[in-house]
Amino acid sequence: DAKTTQPTSMDCAEGRAANLPCNHSTISGNEYVYWYRQIHSQGPQYIIHGLKNNETNEMASLIITEDRKSSTLILPHATLRDTAVYYCIVRVALQGAQKLVFGQGTRLTINP
Amino acid sequence: GAVVSQHPSRVICKSGTSVKIECRSLDFQATTMFWYRQFPKQSLMLMATSNEGSKATYEQGVEKDKFLINHASLTLSTLTVTSAHPEDSSFYICSATGLAPLMWETQYFGPGTRLLVL
Repeated sequence: DAKTTQPTSMDCAEGRAANLPCNHSTISGNEYVYWYRQIHSQGPQYIIHGLKNNETNEMASLIITEDRKSSTLILPHATLRDTAVYYCIVRVALQGAQKLVFGQGTRLTINP
Repeated sequence: GAVVSQHPSRVICKSGTSVKIECRSLDFQATTMFWYRQFPKQSLMLMATSNEGSKATYEQGVEKDKFLINHASLTLSTLTVTSAHPEDSSFYICSATGLAPLMWETQYFGPGTRLLVL
């Protein structure tokens, strides 16, 4: 699976949009981009995933560049509860085996 | 939907004893379950992958005789830490993926079990 590069930490003001970048320059054509987050002492929470097109759900938007070498997770109106470690993961969906390889992620702190 | 539970949420045991952790998919059938371990201030590390009705596949460096995994039904997987030692103290997290299209593409995680071995 391709590796990802994320900033170690980021800060964002409450109510503002939080934009979390991720580089995955070696991504293969059949690899998806997944985003999870982990609030302290909890299990990871699925946020969103995509292959080529931009995606939006009730939690966030995912913007994938045309060459697919990078992506941005957007939390449109960040709240204090969005403080967490955010993981960007690329993954190939193999038959019956869908490993998620977690990197160090980005520690996002939302400030009041 | 897509809720995964774990029991217990935290456990303290004596060195040398065995501890069983349960992982359940509450509202979907989990064809594949995964077990992760997370040490303080570190990221999640995959320990093993289990498919219902078959033996688990362990990641390199994970002792299969020490970490026994059973995936006997489509809603339950168990991880037994045998002869636990203080270095096994960690946060153990399971995840599950299912049959339906969205379930198949995405892993859903449990809340984790914190194990402390004295």
